[in-house]
Amino acid sequence: ETGVTQTPRHLVMGMTNKKSLKCEQHLGHNAMYWYKQSAKKPLELMFVYNFKEQTENNSVPSRFSPECPNSSHLFLHLHTLQPEDSALYLCASSQDGGTGGHGYTFGSGTRLTVV
Amino acid sequence: QKEVEQDPGPLSVPEGAIVSLNCTYSNSAFQYFMWYRQYSRKGPELLMYTYSSGNKEDGRFTAQVDKSSKYISLFIRDSQPSDSATYLCAMSANQAGTALIFGKGTTLSVSS
Repeated sequence: ETGVTQTPRHLVMGMTNKKSLKCEQHLGHNAMYWYKQSAKKPLELMFVYNFKEQTENNSVPSRFSPECPNSSHLFLHLHTLQPEDSALYLCASSQDGGTGGHGYTFGSGTRLTVV
Repeated sequence: QKEVEQDPGPLSVPEGAIVSLNCTYSNSAFQYFMWYRQYSRKGPELLMYTYSSGNKEDGRFTAQVDKSSKYISLFIRDSQPSDSATYLCAMSANQAGTALIFGKGTTLSVSS
């Protein structure tokens, strides 16, 4: 494991379901991120949290709802998703915005399929 | 124009070849440049980190940044089958928490 743990690894959900993705880091980092990775597209930043406070919401539809109860845990709550939301959802953490020489530490991602 | 452009490939080379991967960008404020490697069914992992212009070498890997041309490169010498992965460039403007901007990633396959 890389130090960032994501669960579940795979998720299949119907468009009317509600599910949550979980991310946990024990690296002592102060920032956590959600990214969406789709085939043939760059990683898309969704949300940024610094010291538990949301500092960026990259125009993400409201069917995605993040929650950061503390600086070690991050959730992404999903409801009434669309098939085009099927993708790999990556969580990452960093210290000092990731530009202090250590970048971001990513989890292995949750492969989401919306049917 | 997209902020970061990266040819997605795929790129196929024989073992032992020198590989060159590249990204171009449009934002002249970018100062922090990184290369991530992503194996199948895994998250990206940091491979190289460079601040501002110049070269950085780590074993078989060399990262180059040319800010005047807004162009960054990653060279892999003596490529190995274990180098087969997707390589993503990433960059950021400052240290104040601006999130990294990623390229699409280039898929590399090294055959033995």
